[in-house]
Amino acid sequence: DTAVSQTPKYLVTQMGNDKSIKCEQNLGHDTMYWYKQDSKKFLKIMFSYNNKELIINETVPNRFSPKSPDKAHLNLHINSLELGDSAVYFCASSQSQDNSPLHFGNGTRLTVT
Amino acid sequence: QKEVEQDPGPLSVPEGAIVSLNCTYSNSAFQYFMWYRQYSRKGPELLMYTYSSGNKEDGRFTAQVDKSSKYISLFIRDSQPSDSATYLCAMSSYNNNDMRFGAGTRLTVKP
Repeated sequence: DTAVSQTPKYLVTQMGNDKSIKCEQNLGHDTMYWYKQDSKKFLKIMFSYNNKELIINETVPNRFSPKSPDKAHLNLHINSLELGDSAVYFCASSQSQDNSPLHFGNGTRLTVT
Repeated sequence: QKEVEQDPGPLSVPEGAIVSLNCTYSNSAFQYFMWYRQYSRKGPELLMYTYSSGNKEDGRFTAQVDKSSKYISLFIRDSQPSDSATYLCAMSSYNNNDMRFGAGTRLTVKP
């Protein structure tokens, strides 16, 4: 059973389109995250969501918006996609936001052409 | 200067070798230190988790933290081809929202 699952695994789309990536965790964790991993493998946090509290990395463009229908799901919506958005996006979860270990999904490889 | 520095490698060793992976950091507030292993086309998975300075051993893996030098290490004994992956260090101070990752070191263990 996959603990943190995200779909789709690959996403190829054109500039200007709007797309969504879905994430679900079955670990009963309270906190979920979205991370971006660029071509140089740097992992950077984009959002964390804990008990309806959203914390946003200030460097993330407002074209990116997370939506959480319930504690087990955190989806990522991206509007007006740009070439620079091409990267691997990882969903993660943790028991709480207080330094508990992160559990990652297997990533969504987004290519914007 | 980046908050967390990690040599991206690549690092290639023969099977059975002892591998040493390292990270340095600049933020003295970091107190939780982690090592993640990431196989190709997969998400990072937690290998080691330590708090403050000291050593922690788990099977063939040993994590060391030297807060006075702002330096952390991961040692892999008797390395196996299945250890071939990218190893990412990570550290945080107050909570997961301030967690910072290194760039990752790509390791290949040759049979």
